[in-house]
Amino acid sequence: GAVVSQHPSRVICKSGTSVKIECRSLDFQATTMFWYRQFPKQSLMLMATSNEGSKATYEQGVEKDKFLINHASLTLSTLTVTSAHPEDSSFYICSARDQATGQSSYNEQFFGPGTRLTVL
Amino acid sequence: AQSVTQPDIHITVSEGASLELRCNYSYGATPYLFWYVQSPGQGLQLLLKYFSGDTLVQGIKGFEAEFKRSQSSFNLRKPSVHWSDAAEYFCAVGVVDSNYQLIWGAGTKLIIKP
Repeated sequence: GAVVSQHPSRVICKSGTSVKIECRSLDFQATTMFWYRQFPKQSLMLMATSNEGSKATYEQGVEKDKFLINHASLTLSTLTVTSAHPEDSSFYICSARDQATGQSSYNEQFFGPGTRLTVL
Repeated sequence: AQSVTQPDIHITVSEGASLELRCNYSYGATPYLFWYVQSPGQGLQLLLKYFSGDTLVQGIKGFEAEFKRSQSSFNLRKPSVHWSDAAEYFCAVGVVDSNYQLIWGAGTKLIIKP
């Protein structure tokens, strides 16, 4: 259980185009999804937190007009990189928090496999 | 402020030798602690987690970690490493807020010598 998928796994696009990345929770409902960016040889940087049905909360320094996040259902969130430039090339990882508290005292995040974006 | 420190950027260990990766945290409340592993170009895999109870937790792939509240540490150990353990290891603290965010360490790269 608790599987999160991301699509595509890797994408190459031309500068100026937009790219959409999908994040799906396959076997649970996720009221909250997180989007991270990871630069080479660095840790994960939280970009934004999205709650189903409401606007995403962006971390300081992240351009909300450039990185559009939509969390329209309990199993799907999308990140659209608009007018991509080479500096947007990175590894993007999503995670989803299980809505059900179950036996756990902490609602942990489950991670997708990541999307490698290369902007030419 | 909440923070996680992994003091070793990289560690080199001979295959078959024991391993300990250090993690120290700063968090005012009960910590929820995680270790993740990331192979090159891959996503994150949860190795183990500590929520409560026994302070020595067992994880996958033969890893274990010990929570020491007095030292604010959650060090990861393995008695005998294999070449396939070469990867980046991240320690994280779960924050109990409305979104249960994770505070990440900078990561430790494990290099295995043949």
